[in-house]
Amino acid sequence: AQSVTQPDIHITVSEGASLELRCNYSYGATPYLFWYVQSPGQGLQLLLKYFSGDTLVQGIKGFEAEFKRSQSSFNLRKPSVHWSDAAEYFCAVALNSGGYQKVTFGTGTKLQVIP
Amino acid sequence: GAGVSQSPRYKVAKRGQDVALRCDPISGHVSLFWYQQALGQGPEFLTYFQNEAQLDKSGLPSDRFFAERPEGSVSTLKIQRTQQEDSAVYLCASSLAGGVGQPQHFGDGTRLSIL
Repeated sequence: AQSVTQPDIHITVSEGASLELRCNYSYGATPYLFWYVQSPGQGLQLLLKYFSGDTLVQGIKGFEAEFKRSQSSFNLRKPSVHWSDAAEYFCAVALNSGGYQKVTFGTGTKLQVIP
Repeated sequence: GAGVSQSPRYKVAKRGQDVALRCDPISGHVSLFWYQQALGQGPEFLTYFQNEAQLDKSGLPSDRFFAERPEGSVSTLKIQRTQQEDSAVYLCASSLAGGVGQPQHFGDGTRLSIL
């Protein structure tokens, strides 16, 4: 079964600083990988996804992520964080299960942005 | 509104009561998913519908949990004889189709508190 590990429960960065959120996955084949963001009291919004091809994927809101097969990682990055980026971020892996995607989420990383 | 709508947003119930949570997916979306998100955790898969057919209910934690989507649009998640451990946010997501390439669109969730 696939699994996702987000080793950082909580990260604090200064506004304008760069950001990297870590994600490691466990899955036998080439995974389908996602990053979602969740603001308090809201549902999840898809930031970006990786299925195949270029290992550096661009997403919304200036985020990008890099797939590294050798490290089983899919880390999320942003060059300059804005106060509005404060939220919880979830990495997820999808398994093609009988024609639909069964998604497994990590436990999340809560991002705090300080002025 | 064009998004996934869930109601109620908040539900408080006494232990032992039955509750029903509603999900209105995006019009025309074939696939519908329910997730349970405990405090401080990522969402966990409960069940999947393709139109009115419930194709996967492997994530339902017990036989007290029941989901239906009788006409292939609105879905209801019912929990009978609620227990304190059922307290969580219940998220609904829909996608145009079930394949791995299709993004899931999430509602804002129903926060269920069992006293």
